[in-house]
Amino acid sequence: QQQVKQSPQSLIVQKGGISIINCAYENTAFDYFPWYQQFPGKGPALLIAIRPDVSEKKEGRFTISFNKSAKQFSLHIMDSQPGDSATYFCAASTRGQTGANNLFFGTGTRLTVIP
Amino acid sequence: EPEVTQTPSHQVTQMGQEVILRCVPISNHLYFYWYRQILGQKVEFLVSFYNNEISEKSEIFDDQFSVERPDGSNFTLKIRSTKLEDSAMYFCASTLTSGGETQYFGPGTRLLVL
Repeated sequence: QQQVKQSPQSLIVQKGGISIINCAYENTAFDYFPWYQQFPGKGPALLIAIRPDVSEKKEGRFTISFNKSAKQFSLHIMDSQPGDSATYFCAASTRGQTGANNLFFGTGTRLTVIP
Repeated sequence: EPEVTQTPSHQVTQMGQEVILRCVPISNHLYFYWYRQILGQKVEFLVSFYNNEISEKSEIFDDQFSVERPDGSNFTLKIRSTKLEDSAMYFCASTLTSGGETQYFGPGTRLLVL
């Protein structure tokens, strides 16, 4: 129930291309869907996040598309750059009784942007 | 910019030994978390902590694990008797408020159990 499924496992994109990563979830109680970017040897860093009351959120070259009925959400990276090469994790959470917001992560997508 | 810090960056221990992983969350944050990431796998939730007590814990967080906020700045994860399968990267995270606030992750402690 707490699973978040992510695909693809790895992705190779040419510089300037669009990178698309997809996630799906089961728990309809999830109400917060962040995407994290992780570089080797570093902790995950928040990239962009969305709540289920909107279908799309855009921040610069990064866009989240959210489909509540399908229980799916995706990350689009426009004009992908070599510096975007990293592992991307989708996640989902719901607020616990004390307000803690435990994140359940997808399995990650290793993105490589070729110059 | 404030950041979450963790020490040590690397820890090697023998199976059955106790280890304590330390974290200093961002100073005015109220919610604290531990996650782990086995090499090449996803990040997994271990435990959340608020108001000096455990808020929630996962199935992974069994009796061998404990957390503590011994003072106003540190947040520790103790593994009482380490097993080989505890080898992983352990991340601490913190948030200021509840419900969807950005979780800021530390750089992690890589634990290797031999």
